[in-house]
Amino acid sequence: GENVEQHPSTLSVQEGDSAVIKCTYSDSASNYFPWYKQELGKRPQLIIDIRSNVGEKKDQRIAVTLNKTAKHFSLHITETQPEDSAVYFCAAPSDSAAGNKLTFGGGTRVLVKP
Amino acid sequence: NAGVTQTPKFRILKIGQSMTLQCAQDMNHNYMYWYRQDPGMGLKLIYYSVGAGITDKGEVPNGYNVSRSTTEDFPLRLELAAPSQTSVYFCASSYLTGTEAFFGQGTRLTVV
Repeated sequence: GENVEQHPSTLSVQEGDSAVIKCTYSDSASNYFPWYKQELGKRPQLIIDIRSNVGEKKDQRIAVTLNKTAKHFSLHITETQPEDSAVYFCAAPSDSAAGNKLTFGGGTRVLVKP
Repeated sequence: NAGVTQTPKFRILKIGQSMTLQCAQDMNHNYMYWYRQDPGMGLKLIYYSVGAGITDKGEVPNGYNVSRSTTEDFPLRLELAAPSQTSVYFCASSYLTGTEAFFGQGTRLTVV
């Protein structure tokens, strides 16, 4: 089945700096890579996603890059703001004989210091 | 649209008790998932379903059971609750595995 590893587990940045979170996955058949943000006490919510036919996708201050050959994808947050403080999860689905499931990375706790 | 609705929001169980966590979605999604999230930790898949009548185990299924008799509902049953099952439980649904998953608001369960 799919194995998703996420690094780092915690990330502290100064307001205005950039933050980068990296994930690797094991199932080469995976073709959809979402990122979720979970604020304290809330449910995870999708912030950006990318499909395997695209190498990079941007949405204002966030971007995701994908390297299918190396089986890793990254979340980039530029000009960080205090409201970016949250836990971020990457995920990778698998549709195969091993099952149809959505596996999440272990999460990265981002703290933006004012 | 209500999205994904979980009940109850909070529950305290005594060791050995049983309960059912309810999950319903009104988006006509095929895929539904149950995750548990321990304090400060990630989301671990308990069970999932790709459609009515079809369920399969995830990463941590022991101590839990599920059923999917309709497209809308995906209840999670805890038998003989143990302190190790203290966690926040999230139900989620998606149209396919390659589309956005929507989460319920979570159920905070404490087993004492």
